[in-house]
Amino acid sequence: KQEVTQIPAALSVPEGENLVLNCSFTDSAIYNLQWFRQDPGKGLTSLLLIQSSQREQTSGRLNASLDKSSGRSTLYIAASQPGDSATYLCAVRTGETSGSRLTFGEGTQLTVNP
Amino acid sequence: GAVVSQHPSRVICKSGTSVKIECRSLDFQATTMFWYRQFPKQSLMLMATSNEGSKATYEQGVEKDKFLINHASLTLSTLTVTSAHPEDSSFYICSAGQGSWRDTIYFGEGSWLTVV
Repeated sequence: KQEVTQIPAALSVPEGENLVLNCSFTDSAIYNLQWFRQDPGKGLTSLLLIQSSQREQTSGRLNASLDKSSGRSTLYIAASQPGDSATYLCAVRTGETSGSRLTFGEGTQLTVNP
Repeated sequence: GAVVSQHPSRVICKSGTSVKIECRSLDFQATTMFWYRQFPKQSLMLMATSNEGSKATYEQGVEKDKFLINHASLTLSTLTVTSAHPEDSSFYICSAGQGSWRDTIYFGEGSWLTVV
């Protein structure tokens, strides 16, 4: 059974700091990994999608890496801003059909202080 | 990017009544949609996989007679909570993909259900 773990559970940093969020998964037979952001009481916003054959993806100040063999992914946020405060979730996809499920981590709650 | 819309965003219902939540893919066709439940400060719990034109696949422990799922078209799935009880109060979120496992999964805005 696939298990996804995110460390740390919570993180508080001053504005402007670069930071790294970690995600690990137990079964390396994944098809892709997706990072999401969730604001309090809201749905999930997709940030980055990394296919299993890729090593990293970048979007603006965000960079996500994937080491499939070791079961790890990181989300790097450069020059953090108060607006980045949210819960960040990683999820892995373990099937090749459109109905294949995502397995989520518990999330990292990020607070960026002005 | 693709958009998934949920309605209503908040609903309050009386204990014993039923409430329906809609999930629509606005600019793509989704043969499969997923329904999740989220408790405060916890991650998402997959409830069921909704398949267009066929029965939903429920996760272990989820009561299919209580949480009725209908995927009547390629752009609409509905979750009906029947005979609601206060313990059903929760945040319900749907998601959909565009058809390939390579594609991004998009989530709706979520629906807050409060049963009084």
